[in-house]
Amino acid sequence: DVKVTQSSRYLVKRTGEKVFLECVQDMDHENMFWYRQDPGLGLRLIYFSYDVKMKEKGDIPEGYSVSREKKERFSLILESASTNQTSMYLCASSPAGSGGTDTQYFGPGTRLTVL
Amino acid sequence: AQSVTQPDIHITVSEGASLELRCNYSYGATPYLFWYVQSPGQGLQLLLKYFSGDTLVQGIKGFEAEFKRSQSSFNLRKPSVHWSDAAEYFCAVGPMEYGNKLVFGAGTILRVKS
Repeated sequence: DVKVTQSSRYLVKRTGEKVFLECVQDMDHENMFWYRQDPGLGLRLIYFSYDVKMKEKGDIPEGYSVSREKKERFSLILESASTNQTSMYLCASSPAGSGGTDTQYFGPGTRLTVL
Repeated sequence: AQSVTQPDIHITVSEGASLELRCNYSYGATPYLFWYVQSPGQGLQLLLKYFSGDTLVQGIKGFEAEFKRSQSSFNLRKPSVHWSDAAEYFCAVGPMEYGNKLVFGAGTILRVKS
């Protein structure tokens, strides 16, 4: 079974702190994604990566950065956390398929609260 | 730009009743369509996906979905709902772009009453 793990299920941080969310997948997938999930808005793509050290902005990259130094690990960084970044963060991975046909596999999510 | 609309935010059905969750998409080319389910406190799990061929797609847990190009719809159905089906359901469209990006709908929360 594909397994995507996220470092924390729940996280509480203070405004202005630097926050790291870690995601690890064990299936040698090329593609990895960070989404933000908010009620009534569904999932919105923050960043994705299609290879080590490669990254592309998604729909809402402002206030976030990412790092992918190893194929299995994709980190989301909040440089200076703000209260409007309180949300559920979901990581996903998928193999490098043809034309978007491949399933994305999701981690359990990290619920981040910024006070 | 591609988009996905799930018109129903909440749906409540009785256990044993049939279910249909609606999904409409906007996309210029042939879409790749997905339904995911998120149980409380869990990540998303793929129920089914459509790429081409037969427009009626079977998935896990007894779910099916039908692609109707003329209506730009991909509705999810189940003939008899179980209490364990209570969850949030997301429809997504996958454009043929580098990196396999998906665009998700806002989700439909399903409640099952006994």
